[in-house]
Amino acid sequence: ETGVTQSPTHLIKTRGQQVTLRCSSQSGHNTVSWYQQALGQGPQFIFQYYREEENGRGNFPPRFSGLQFPNYSSELNVNALELDDSALYLCASSAGQGGASGYGYTFGSGTRLTVV
Amino acid sequence: ILNVEQSPQSLHVQEGDSTNFTCSFPSSNFYALHWYRWETAKSPEALFVMTLNGDEKKKGRISATLNTKEGYSYLYIKGSQPEDSATYLCAFIANTGNQFYFGTGTSLTVIP
Repeated sequence: ETGVTQSPTHLIKTRGQQVTLRCSSQSGHNTVSWYQQALGQGPQFIFQYYREEENGRGNFPPRFSGLQFPNYSSELNVNALELDDSALYLCASSAGQGGASGYGYTFGSGTRLTVV
Repeated sequence: ILNVEQSPQSLHVQEGDSTNFTCSFPSSNFYALHWYRWETAKSPEALFVMTLNGDEKKKGRISATLNTKEGYSYLYIKGSQPEDSATYLCAFIANTGNQFYFGTGTSLTVIP
């Protein structure tokens, strides 16, 4: 299996609800990072998981949480959804923690979340 | 908060024209700079990983240069083709962490 797969591709949620987004990492990759891209902005770092442990977190509130599983797939959970959470959520996997590894990151095509 | 800027925000060129974009990033704490090509509804595709001052990398008609002392990278496309139409993102990694700091991207449209 190659590439990073994210599911679902689109979803609509109501303010206050909870959502779980899923990401399957590329074969051989043990690190998963999540990014949020709001309209008109570049992707913003949410957090990274390395071998099932959180390994860095951006400026996002605790209602953004995650998990990484033994097969290195990952989930992003967002509780108490707010309208501003509407964005494209990108997942990226890599072989190692650092972007200078030379392997780069492999991104999924994202999940478009709309909060109404 | 680290600031990464890209210019121009968007660009329309005629097929066959050559073009270039700029990515500006902090000149301190440099670790790596990545360039991505991102077509609508697809995954960002890695173009280059640049780590050394003075790096020049090339992939077909696309090339990139890096100046870490002054904090900028240029991406060049020679003889633009319609299939080059995409958003080009740069992402800076500092030596103090492991996250990308993305610019907002340059949207390129190549007109046949």
